[in-house]
Amino acid sequence: QVQLVQSGAELRKPGASVKISCEGSGYSFTTSYLYWLRHVPGQRFEWLGSIVPGNGVTTVAQKFQGRVTMTREALINTAYLELSHLTPDDTAVYYCARYAEVNWFDLWGQGTQVTVSS
Amino acid sequence: DIEMTQSPSSVSASMGDRVTITCRAGVYISSNLNWYQQKLGEPPRLLIHGASTLERGVPPRFSGSGSGTEFTLTINGLQPDDLATYFCQQSFSYPTFGGGTKVELK
Repeated sequence: QVQLVQSGAELRKPGASVKISCEGSGYSFTTSYLYWLRHVPGQRFEWLGSIVPGNGVTTVAQKFQGRVTMTREALINTAYLELSHLTPDDTAVYYCARYAEVNWFDLWGQGTQVTVSS
Repeated sequence: DIEMTQSPSSVSASMGDRVTITCRAGVYISSNLNWYQQKLGEPPRLLIHGASTLERGVPPRFSGSGSGTEFTLTINGLQPDDLATYFCQQSFSYPTFGGGTKVELK
């Protein structure tokens, strides 16, 4: 079955970091771009960055530079997003998504709720 | 970032109605426009890519049109399963999304 499966919900205090995983299966994980996005209901989806699992090359959205680290373990078809220096504004559902043909998101993880609260 | 303006923000329609959603890009994006459907508690589902190409498995009552800066998603004959929020997304540059259109039952 072609799918992306993300790790579970996280609760963090302001100033902390969070690391989310995204495991792909059923397709060639290393050959497609993988993006990280987040969404607050009622607001726009926001792109955090992307990684090519095959070679680990990353691109981070300007807004998140210095706070986002993306890594991968190709042998276990898993990518990771780490977001540091969390504030309550980072409370959102975080998604990994495959960017097919480098043009559209055709496969999404189920989402990971991250809540930042003191 | 390319600004994407979607309208309306919500629409109330009856079963069987034609529903039209518009997405406007702040700059020229050719046909690099995709549409997604999202239901509560679920990730988005790709409906249309390249402005008008229906993703496999998507019912043909969904259609997309437009190019340049103006795009439209049409649902011909609204079904109960179509009650959801719809988003456009441009892929001409780093991805940006419209604000969403919630389709509700009248």
